[in-house]
Amino acid sequence: KAGVTQTPRYLIKTRGQQVTLSCSPISGHRSVSWYQQTPGQGLQFLFEYFSETQRNKGNFPGRFSGRQFSNSRSEMNVSTLELGDSALYLCASSRTGTSYNEQFFGPGTRLTVL
Amino acid sequence: GENVEQHPSTLSVQEGDSAVIKCTYSDSASNYFPWYKQELGKRPQLIIDIRSNVGEKKDQRIAVTLNKTAKHFSLHITETQPEDSAVYFCAPSWGQNFVFGPGTRLSVLP
Repeated sequence: KAGVTQTPRYLIKTRGQQVTLSCSPISGHRSVSWYQQTPGQGLQFLFEYFSETQRNKGNFPGRFSGRQFSNSRSEMNVSTLELGDSALYLCASSRTGTSYNEQFFGPGTRLTVL
Repeated sequence: GENVEQHPSTLSVQEGDSAVIKCTYSDSASNYFPWYKQELGKRPQLIIDIRSNVGEKKDQRIAVTLNKTAKHFSLHITETQPEDSAVYFCAPSWGQNFVFGPGTRLSVLP
């Protein structure tokens, strides 16, 4: 069974631009979560989608948005990029996204904002 | 919201020694207690988990113990090996609550 995949793996953008990241979950998994990982802040939860609906959202500004498609693939968008958005963005999929569900992480997208 | 802490933040042990990492949480609704391991440059992976109706679970050299009354659970690694060097995250959760601890960097010295 193929694992969680993320594209692109690396991105370099400049301040003010916008970016879209993609995540393809494990086949049969309907929940996709997004995390921002930085050296000082650990894993910060962005949002979670299940069956094309956002069920949960972390404490991030409205510049961070996402969506999920009918095939469970998910995209995350960051508009008006700031230097502080430089981070590793990880997505994770699970079967239903509820408690007791192991989360399977993708390799991440490394975003650098110049 | 859930407040999750891990202690210590960094830990160095000699190969063969034991390591213990503690995770404290604030949300009494938490009922699932996993630990994830993230090796350098790799993605986090689940290594062990426990549910709220169980006090302890063991899987070869790793174990997790839960004290729900005190709201903490711990990861125990015995006979540590160099490949145990990584960052370990706890993630106490319930429902769709997804909060990770800040991580503990474990270094196993040869």
